[in-house]
Amino acid sequence: GIQVEQSPPDLILQEGANSTLRCNFSDSVNNLQWFHQNPWGQLINLFYIPSGTKQNGRLSATTVATERYSLLYISSSQTTDSGVYFCAGGRTAGRRALTFGSGTRLQVQP
Amino acid sequence: NAGVTQTPKFQVLKTGQSMTLQCAQDMNHNSMYWYRQDPGMGLRLIYYSASEGTTDKGEVPNGYNVSRLNKREFSLRLESAAPSQTSVYFCASSDRSTGYTFGSGTRLTVV
Repeated sequence: GIQVEQSPPDLILQEGANSTLRCNFSDSVNNLQWFHQNPWGQLINLFYIPSGTKQNGRLSATTVATERYSLLYISSSQTTDSGVYFCAGGRTAGRRALTFGSGTRLQVQP
Repeated sequence: NAGVTQTPKFQVLKTGQSMTLQCAQDMNHNSMYWYRQDPGMGLRLIYYSASEGTTDKGEVPNGYNVSRLNKREFSLRLESAAPSQTSVYFCASSDRSTGYTFGSGTRLTVV
């Protein structure tokens, strides 16, 4: 199956700093999502982005499908951005079963 | 509120007991999924259902069974719980335009 690698595994930022999280896939995917798991364990869908670039407030994501990677940008980080960020990809659009990476744990300090 | 509802939120079982985790979605999604998350790890797919009436095994199906009761509901059953099944279980549903929506999870402890 598809392997999903995320980097870095851990990240500590000061409030206001910017960061880039990366996700690499072992094979092409046509279904890719980024999620945020908050400190209470809830999983929030950030972006559905099989290709191209999307932005939502201080967060944006870019997927280069031909090179099998995706990036998540967090600008002007806030303490509420803390948690674990997961990317997940799938190869079969019809079934849409995603394989998850192991996550990037982000801690934003005031 | 629209979304995915999981019950129960917490459960403690003794080894060998059985239980069913319930999941329901009200977004008219065709596809539904069960994942487990172990400490410090990502999510691993247990079973999924691409549409009503179909189910398929995921990465870690052993020890579990599922039922897609109708389009809204997808249940996960542990027939004989083992300590290795201690985990947080997430249900999700999806459509082609917005991707996955997750439930709030069930924290299961098997002693």
